[in-house]
This record gives sequence, structure tokens and C-alpha cells, in this order.
Amino acid sequence: GNSVTQMEGPVTLSEEAFLTINCTYTATGYPSLFWYVQYPGEGLQLLLKATKADDKGSNKGFEATYRKETTSFHLEKGSVQVSDSAVYFCALFYNQGGKLIFGQGTELSVKP
Amino acid sequence: GAVVSQHPSRVICKSGTSVKIECRSLDFQATTMFWYRQFPKKSLMLMATSNEGSKATYEQGVEKDKFLINHASLTLSTLTVTSAHPEDSSFYICSARDSNSRNQPQHFGDGTRLSIL
Repeated sequence: GNSVTQMEGPVTLSEEAFLTINCTYTATGYPSLFWYVQYPGEGLQLLLKATKADDKGSNKGFEATYRKETTSFHLEKGSVQVSDSAVYFCALFYNQGGKLIFGQGTELSVKP
Repeated sequence: GAVVSQHPSRVICKSGTSVKIECRSLDFQATTMFWYRQFPKKSLMLMATSNEGSKATYEQGVEKDKFLINHASLTLSTLTVTSAHPEDSSFYICSARDSNSRNQPQHFGDGTRLSIL
């Protein structure tokens, strides 16, 4: 079946460090891929997306590239800030049915 | 942008009480809404898909008599946790599908923290 796997957290970084959160997926066909962010006590916000192979999604300094050959959608940011501390979810989506399939989430903690 | 309002944001009540959570799409019509449950430090677990004007579709292992879902209009879905017990304490999040949006498959509410004493 379709599934998403993320790297285990928590990830703890110092401010201005480089961030990578790995995400791989198993899916048939051509899903869209998303990264969502959840700040403490809140719901999910869309961070970025990619709808086809080789697309790069980017937002707020974060970026991820849809790699069909490696079935990956790793999240990266060149210089993290304390305000980036949150839980990040990778997800895949098929338009038919409308369901999002989430990874387990990766908690990021950025220290000053 | 599209907004989903979830209410209440937090509820604390005694064991045996039934609790209703509302999910509203404020500026778009949502024929489909989703209800998720999130345990501490865990991912979102899809509980059910709520379809306007018809019965909800529950995921395997979710008790439909325990978690009643009603989607009576294109902008409102409700989740009622019946006879809640401490093990039902959790963070519940709804989302709504905007079929006219090409950017986001679902818009999420801010969640409801349910604590059963």
C-alpha cells in the first residue's frame, strides 16, 4: 500500500545550522507530495508541495525536490531559526479520494 | 486564503460526558471533511471521512458508535465523542477539502485538545 516514512526525531540544531529531514514514500502512480508544519498546540499548515517528478517546492527558505527515482522528498533549509521549531510532516496525496497519507512526523528543535 | 474554523479549541470534562466538536469551512464549500486524532509525539491518524449529506466513512478500528460524525451542510461537520473516557483524551484535528483549490488538498483547523478527567 501507499506509505510515507520520515526520519526519526527529535532533531536538535543550533540556530543557522543546515537542516535536512528525510522523507521517502511508497506509492503507485503519480501522487503529489507535501510538507506540512505543526507549531505547538496548533493544526497543520502547508509548507510546500510538488506535484510531479523533478518539481521543487519552496517556501520560507525551505525546499524539497520530488525525486521519483529515489522515491524521496527530503526537506532542506540552509539556515534554521529558533522560530522554525515545530513538527514537520511529509505527506502524499492522490486527487481521487482526497486523502492525505502522512509520515510519522519529525520534531525539530532549534536552539539559540 | 481558505480558512477552517474548529471549535472548541480546548475542552475538559468528566468521564461519561459526550463532547461535540465543530469544524467549519468559512469561505468555501466542503463536500468532504476529514477527522484526525493525534496522540502526543505521534502522527495524525485519520479517523473518518465526512461526506456532506451521507454517512461518514470510518477507518478500520475506529468505533463509529463512539465517534459520531454529522455533515449536514457544505460548511459544517461535527464530531461527537459519546460517553467519553480518559482514553479518549487526545488532540483532534479536522480538515476540509476545497475541490476548487489547486494548491492545497485539505485545509486544516487548529485542533481541539480534549481532556477527560
